[in-house]
Amino acid sequence: EAGVAQSPRYKIIEKRQSVAFWCNPISGHATLYWYQQILGQGPKLLIQFQNNGVVDDSQLPKDRFSAERLKGVDSTLKIQPAKLEDSAVYLCASSLDTTDTQYFGPGTRLTVL
Amino acid sequence: GENVEQHPSTLSVQEGDSAVIKCTYSDSASNYFPWYKQELGKGPQLIIDIRSNVGEKKDQRIAVTLNKTAKHFSLHITETQPEDSAVYFCAASSPGRRALTFGSGTRLQVQP
Repeated sequence: EAGVAQSPRYKIIEKRQSVAFWCNPISGHATLYWYQQILGQGPKLLIQFQNNGVVDDSQLPKDRFSAERLKGVDSTLKIQPAKLEDSAVYLCASSLDTTDTQYFGPGTRLTVL
Repeated sequence: GENVEQHPSTLSVQEGDSAVIKCTYSDSASNYFPWYKQELGKGPQLIIDIRSNVGEKKDQRIAVTLNKTAKHFSLHITETQPEDSAVYFCAASSPGRRALTFGSGTRLQVQP
C-alpha cells in the first residue's frame, strides 16, 4: 500500500513570496491533517479535513495560510506572503474515518530567507 | 486545550541497555496515545500506540504503559540497537479532537 505522498520535498523562497505544498493521502483515508514542525519541536496541527470539509482550522494563521482539499482526496497548503518564522517542515498525515491512527508523509522542508 | 510534556529531551544509552521516555498530558478526556519515531529527513513513523482502556501494550522490544489516574504514559525500549537512534515523540488525542498534540521529542542515541 502506498504511503502519504508530498511534494516538493524542499523549497527555498524569500520572505513575502508565496509557496504551495501538495499532499496525496493514503487511498481511502477520509481524514487529512497538515502539521507544522519547527526545528527541534514536535509537530503542531494547522488544519484538519474530513473528506473535503474543514474540521479544525483554529491554529491556522488565516491571514497568510490557506488550504483546500478538492474532491476529498488531494490537498494543497498555501502560504502568501511567507515570513521568516514560517521556516519549518510541513507534514501531511491521513487516517481512516473510523480510526485514530495517523500516517505521515515525508514532509516538505521550507526555508524562508 | 491539551498539553503534552515529554522527558528527557536527550537520552544516550549503550547498545543492549534499556531506554525509557516519559510523557504527561493535561486533558483527562484524552484516550489515544501513540508514539512516533522520526529519523533525519523523514516524517514521523508510528511505532506503537495505546488506548485508555489498556494499561500496557508490548510489541517485541517496545512497550508502552499508561497510568490514566496520574495522566502519564511511558515508552520502554529493551535491548537497544544503533538503529534505534532517532527522535521519539509521544502524542495524545481525545474523542472530540482526533488531531494529535505532540510532546517536544526525545533524541535517543544508542552507542555501539
